[in-house]
Amino acid sequence: AQSVSQHNHHVILSEAASLELGCNYSYGGTVNLFWYVQYPGQHLQLLLKYFSGDPLVKGIKGFEAEFIKSKFSFNLRKPSVQWSDTAEYFCALRPRNEKLTFGTGTRLTIIP
Amino acid sequence: NAGVTQTPKFRVLKTGQSMTLLCAQDMNHEYMYWYRQDPGMGLRLIHYSVGEGTTAKGEVPDGYNVSRLKKQNFLLGLESAAPSQTSVYFCASSYLAGKLAGGTGELFFGEGSRLTVL
Repeated sequence: AQSVSQHNHHVILSEAASLELGCNYSYGGTVNLFWYVQYPGQHLQLLLKYFSGDPLVKGIKGFEAEFIKSKFSFNLRKPSVQWSDTAEYFCALRPRNEKLTFGTGTRLTIIP
Repeated sequence: NAGVTQTPKFRVLKTGQSMTLLCAQDMNHEYMYWYRQDPGMGLRLIHYSVGEGTTAKGEVPDGYNVSRLKKQNFLLGLESAAPSQTSVYFCASSYLAGKLAGGTGELFFGEGSRLTVL
């Protein structure tokens, strides 16, 4: 069975700091990978996705993620965070035509 | 664009009461899902459906039932609510991954239904 690990449960950064949130997965075959964001009081929204091709994926609001197959990782990055990035971030894995599995999430707090 | 709509958005129940959450999507998606979100546990899949008339169990199906009589609707039922079912419930829908152009399996979520069981 597949699994997703997000080791950072809560990250606190100052505005303009660089961000990297870790995501590791366990699955032996071809996968689709996603990062979702949940702003306070809102539903989950897709931040970016990896389906195939270029392992460096760019998403909305200046976020990017790199798929490293050899490390089973799909870390999320942003060079300079803003207060409005305060949210919970979920990494998710979906093997082809199977169910989506979420990590437990990382709460990001940005201090102005 | 409505997308995925959940009703009700808030509900308070007493232990032992029953209720049904309704999810409706207008994107003609084959797949629909019900998740629950609890602090520190992320989203856990309760039940899902791969098409009209079909349902399947997810990670945490106990205490819940579902039905998908129409392609656009997916109902989640609690027959006898328990305090452990206090949670935020999210419905989602998606195309079958890879089936359509751009069909990467991305899930589209509703705004959530907050359920409190006293």
